Amino acid sequence: QVQLQESGPGLVKPSGTLSLTCAVSGGSISSSSWWNWVRQPPGKGLEWVGEIYHSGSTNYNPSLTSRVTVSVDKSINQFSLKLSSVTAADTAVYFCARKSYTSSVFDSWGQGTLVTVSS
Amino acid sequence: DIQLTQSPSFLSASVGDRVTITCRASQGISNYLAWYQQKPGQAPKVLIYAASTLQSGVPSRFSGSGSGTEFTLTISSLQPEDFGNYYCQQLNSYPRFGGGTKVEI
Repeated sequence: QVQLQESGPGLVKPSGTLSLTCAVSGGSISSSSWWNWVRQPPGKGLEWVGEIYHSGSTNYNPSLTSRVTVSVDKSINQFSLKLSSVTAADTAVYFCARKSYTSSVFDSWGQGTLVTVSS
Repeated sequence: DIQLTQSPSFLSASVGDRVTITCRASQGISNYLAWYQQKPGQAPKVLIYAASTLQSGVPSRFSGSGSGTEFTLTISSLQPEDFGNYYCQQLNSYPRFGGGTKVEI
């Protein structure tokens, strides 16, 4: 069973860049899956951020595309998220998740990490 | 841009009740819809995909139906562990979630 674990700073200053990493274990990031980031502001719903395939192909939420970069490092079985020019509206729990290549659902998730944007 | 609207946004029910949550898409998405359950402090867990297919390991009291623009998630007999938030997600185009339904026991 694949497991995912997010890591990164819990506090980012306004106008700075949010950087998170998702470590994948129990499976290869080079499998036929897309690797995703989903966020959830405190007390609110889920918002898809973006995804990457091991080849480097990416798709991003159109509302975030100008600020988001998702990258992959196959050598260490990890993928990463960078979100630039952050504001308080970017404060959220950030989850990494695997999208199943058969059903297209997010079938494995990390526990989530809270990132607060504040000075 | 496809929007998903869930109703109700909140429901309170008793153990043993039959519960139905609706998700309406702003345009047809065939059966490209999934349902998730999320408990406080946890990541979401997939219950249903392809509108009506039960994810492995999910209790059979959960079921999904619908196609096109209207979908339902039904819990046939609500259990105490079923409290939490439920989200629909469209699997067509880019992954968008509904606004959620909070289920209180």
